[in-house]
Amino acid sequence: QSALTQPRSVSGSPGQSVTISCTGSSSDVGGYNYVSWYQQHPGKAPKLMFYDVTKRPSGVPGRFSGSKSGNTASLSISGLQAEDEADYYCCSYAGNSTFGVFGGGTKLTVL
Amino acid sequence: QVQLVESGGGVVQLGRSLRLSCAASGFTLSSYGMHWVRQAPGKGLEWVALVWYDGSKKYYADSVKGRFTISRDNSKNTLYLQMNSLRPEDTAVYYCARDRVPGTPRYYFDYWGQGTLVTVSS
Repeated sequence: QSALTQPRSVSGSPGQSVTISCTGSSSDVGGYNYVSWYQQHPGKAPKLMFYDVTKRPSGVPGRFSGSKSGNTASLSISGLQAEDEADYYCCSYAGNSTFGVFGGGTKLTVL
Repeated sequence: QVQLVESGGGVVQLGRSLRLSCAASGFTLSSYGMHWVRQAPGKGLEWVALVWYDGSKKYYADSVKGRFTISRDNSKNTLYLQMNSLRPEDTAVYYCARDRVPGTPRYYFDYWGQGTLVTVSS
C-alpha cells in the first residue's frame, strides 16, 4: 500500500482538462512543500514535471500546473493532448524516518 | 548532457546478492545527492535509498533497510547499490536518479537512468 493515495485512473477528451489528486497526511504532503510529480510513458523512465509543488522544470508545457491544499496535492492538465496519455506519480518528502514516498500512480487516458 | 547508465541487473536466486552500478556523466557528481528508485513489474515507483553528495549521509526505505547499501565513488563518477538477502519482492527495474538540488537533497529526481532489471527467483 502506497503512502500517498492517487486515483487509479482518469480520462478526458482532447482539449479538455483533468486533475489528478495526491492525498497524504500531515507527515508528508501536508507537512512539507517538497512535492513533485512525474510523468511516465510505457517502457520509459519517469520525467520530472513539477517540484516545490508548483514549479515547472524548463520544457514542461504551461498546460500543466501543480497545487496543494492541506494534505492533498494536485496536478492539473488543460487542453489535453494525445501525448499526455501516460502514468503520473506524485512524490513527497516525509520526514527523517520515512524520507521519500510516492503515490500509487494514476493512468491518464486521452479518449 | 547529463547521462545516467545503470548496469549489473540480472536473474539472481533467493537470498543471494547483487551489486548495481550507475555511471554518471555530464555533470559534477560530487555536488548532488543520488537516489535509487525501483519499479516492480506493472507496479508503481518506490523510493529505495539516498546518498548525500559527499557520502556523509545515507537513508533507506524500510523495505530494504539492513539488506541494501548505497554508496558512491565520486572519483569514478559512479553510484552503487549493494543488495543482499534478496527476496522475490525485490524484483523490479532499478533506476538511479539525480536529486535536482545541489547540496541538501529534496527528493526531486530530475535525471533518471534507463533502469536495470533485477529478477529474484525462488
